[in-house]
Amino acid sequence: GDSVTQMEGPVTLSEEAFLTINCTYTATGYPSLFWYVQYPGEGLQLLLKATKADDKGSNKGFEATYRKETTSFHLEKGSVQVSDSAVYFCARGISSGSARQLTFGSGTQLTVLP
Amino acid sequence: GAVVSQHPSRVICKSGTSVKIECRSLDFQATTMFWYRQFPKQSLMLMATSNEGSKATYEQGVEKDKFLINHASLTLSTLTVTSAHPEDSSFYICSARNPGQGQDTFGSGTRLTVV
Repeated sequence: GDSVTQMEGPVTLSEEAFLTINCTYTATGYPSLFWYVQYPGEGLQLLLKATKADDKGSNKGFEATYRKETTSFHLEKGSVQVSDSAVYFCARGISSGSARQLTFGSGTQLTVLP
Repeated sequence: GAVVSQHPSRVICKSGTSVKIECRSLDFQATTMFWYRQFPKQSLMLMATSNEGSKATYEQGVEKDKFLINHASLTLSTLTVTSAHPEDSSFYICSARNPGQGQDTFGSGTRLTVV
């Protein structure tokens, strides 16, 4: 079935380091792809999305490119900040019955040290 | 932007009692809402899809008689955990489908503790 495989954490970086969190998905149809961020004790916030191949989603310095040939949607940021510490979830949209659902990866805990 | 309000944010209840969690879309109409459960340090598990004016669709393994979902209006869905037990303690998150933006907006979650 549809699935999302995400790089396991936790990831610990120093401030201003480069960040990559890998995400791959199963290639059933042409799903939309998302990255969500969850801060401690809170719900999920949409970070960025891409709806078709070669699209690049970007927000707050984070970027991810929809790569159909490698079925990947890796999250990158050139210079992380302490405030980026959170859990990041990769997700894909799937079709099931009358409602398109989201399938989430397992989440990656990021800690940025000052 | 789209906002979804989830209430309460935290609740502690006694075993055997019922708890209702509300999920409201504040500035858009949501014909579809989703309820998730999240265990500590784990991903979100979809429990059910809530459709306005019709019965919810539950995922395999989720007891529909225990987790009652009502989606009576285009801006409100409720999840009632009936006869709660300690193993129901978890973080519950709702999301609302915004047809205008083609994406889901999440609530801030509810931490349920059953004692």
